Amino acid sequence: DAGVIQSPRHEVTEMGQEVTLRCKPISGHNSLFWYRQTMMRGLELLIYFNNNVPIDDSGMPEDRFSAKMPNASFSTLKIQPSEPRDSAVYFCASSLDGRSGYTFGSGTRLTVV
Amino acid sequence: EDQVTQSPEALRLQEGESSSLNCSYTVSGLRGLFWYRQDPGKGPEFLFTLYSAGEEKEKERLKATLTKKESFLHITAPKPEDSATYLCAVQSVDSNYQLIWGAGTKLIIKP
Repeated sequence: DAGVIQSPRHEVTEMGQEVTLRCKPISGHNSLFWYRQTMMRGLELLIYFNNNVPIDDSGMPEDRFSAKMPNASFSTLKIQPSEPRDSAVYFCASSLDGRSGYTFGSGTRLTVV
Repeated sequence: EDQVTQSPEALRLQEGESSSLNCSYTVSGLRGLFWYRQDPGKGPEFLFTLYSAGEEKEKERLKATLTKKESFLHITAPKPEDSATYLCAVQSVDSNYQLIWGAGTKLIIKP
């Protein structure tokens, strides 16, 4: 298995631009998580999907953030408009169920200038 | 309030020098405690899940133990390739998905 696949690996964008991050979870995993990691705040859960349905989006910082999971093999996290404070590493993770160990992707390092 | 505290923040060891990392937790009821390893530029890699006090798990030079208040990650005769940040997370019985993460311990093994 190729693991959780995220793209792009790096993204540099200007403030105000739209950014879309992509994730392909492990086949058969029914739980998908989007996390953000910064030095100051560590790992923060943004949103949790179970069987493609958003269950908990309380961690999404603002209306500028949105996430979708149109099918079991694909999810996106969109930021529109982006701001410099959104600069962080964004991870996607999947698991067989929410209680099992997660498998993380390699992350997308986002820099907003 | 549920909380996870890891110590020390950073640990430098000589190759072969055994030591332990600590993860102290406060949670209403523990569903599981997770250990992950994170290398620079990569996502966290799952190591262990512990469910009840007294449980132990081993993988190569690593052994994780659990009590009702804390977990230890023991590293025996470490090698430079064990250098990484080790993250601890707990899941409460109140949630079947939410993890509460510690800030991590950065481990550096010098040859």
